[in-house]
Amino acid sequence: SQKIEQNSEALNIQEGKTATLTCNYTNYSPAYLQWYRQDPGRGPVFLLLIRENEKEKRKERLKVTFDTTLKQSLFHITASQPADSATYLCALRMDSSYKLIFGSGTRLLVRP
Amino acid sequence: DADVTQTPRNRITKTGKRIMLECSQTKGHDRMYWYRQDPGLGLRLIYYSFDVKDINKGEISDGYSVSRQAQAKFSLSLESAIPNQTALYFCATSDPRGTGDEQYFGPGTRLTVT
Repeated sequence: SQKIEQNSEALNIQEGKTATLTCNYTNYSPAYLQWYRQDPGRGPVFLLLIRENEKEKRKERLKVTFDTTLKQSLFHITASQPADSATYLCALRMDSSYKLIFGSGTRLLVRP
Repeated sequence: DADVTQTPRNRITKTGKRIMLECSQTKGHDRMYWYRQDPGLGLRLIYYSFDVKDINKGEISDGYSVSRQAQAKFSLSLESAIPNQTALYFCATSDPRGTGDEQYFGPGTRLTVT
């Protein structure tokens, strides 16, 4: 069956460290992968997109990698800040479908 | 002003009642979506529409219906609400002409069915 897995346990790190979140998938061949941030009681906000032919994408303190062999994306936040505390969702889209398939998200807590 | 708005923001209703959730957008996007979010299950697609004349079922459309009244408006109806439809509902829009069809979400409607 097709699955997208994100660590359901919260990631708890110290301010200033790098946070690394994982998105694994099985039985999909995504054309691209997106990452969203969601704060409590709010809608998700788009952060970054990476295509199947790209290995890495950066935006300010954010970095995303995409390994289609391992079927995995890693999302990094460098020099993390308490304001980065939120739930982060990954989402896949296949060329054959116009729909996004979302993971259940990982909660990040950055301690001051 | 917010680009994607949803009304109501919170709603408590009883089993068997009909309820409509409304979504409006000022982004000028053709594509609109309705999702529900449950703890531990992530976002699941209920219905989507790529233009006013195009409506498609998502993975969990049973018990729901939609109406695309205009490019800017997409409403979700629960004809006869049941308790397991208690969830957080999100509307979203996207523009495929953008960099990757990223989605823009509304603030959500928290629905409780008693």
